[in-house]
Amino acid sequence: AQSVAQPEDQVNVAEGNPLTVKCTYSVSGNPYLFWYVQYPNRGLQFLLKYITGDNLVKGSYGFEAEFNKSQTSFHLKKPSALVSDSALYFCAVRDWGPIKAAGNKLTFGGGTRVLVKP
Amino acid sequence: EAGVAQSPRYKIIEKRQSVAFWCNPISGHATLYWYQQILGQGPKLLIQFQNNGVVDDSQLPKDRFSAERLKGVDSTLKIQPAKLEDSAVYLCASSLEGLPYEQYFGPGTRLTVT
Repeated sequence: AQSVAQPEDQVNVAEGNPLTVKCTYSVSGNPYLFWYVQYPNRGLQFLLKYITGDNLVKGSYGFEAEFNKSQTSFHLKKPSALVSDSALYFCAVRDWGPIKAAGNKLTFGGGTRVLVKP
Repeated sequence: EAGVAQSPRYKIIEKRQSVAFWCNPISGHATLYWYQQILGQGPKLLIQFQNNGVVDDSQLPKDRFSAERLKGVDSTLKIQPAKLEDSAVYLCASSLEGLPYEQYFGPGTRLTVT
């Protein structure tokens, strides 16, 4: 069974400092990995994804993530955080395989709340 | 491009009552998902449709939850009868068919069961 762990419930960072949100995963095969962000009273917004290829993936709003197969990690990073980045961040994974196949669902982590202080 | 639409945004019901949620996906998206997000947790997939067929409903409590997507476009999720533990945000998402395209989420329906 696939799983995702986000070890930090909350990350606090000062505006202008680098931001890192951690994610580790477990799948039986090769992973598809995603990051989503959720603002209060809104649905999840897609930030970026890793499918294959370059381990460093660039996404929306200046975010990037690095895929590390040996450490089974996919940490989200931003070089300089903004107050407006304060939100709930979710990492998600699904195993390779036909998207129509039952069981190849997207599994989400429990989320990490990011608080960027001015 | 219009996003995923959901209604209602908020619903308060008493336990044992029934409730229905509606979702209209992004035009052209063949795959539609319903998720349950309990406060403080990540979303959990309830059911996945490919066009109007069910791909995965393994985590849907079928004794009380039902969902349909009759014409392969919009979808309805129903709970009957509701329990206190059904209090959650119900998210609808859609994606293109095929490769692991990213899912686009609606704003959700916040259900409170009293």
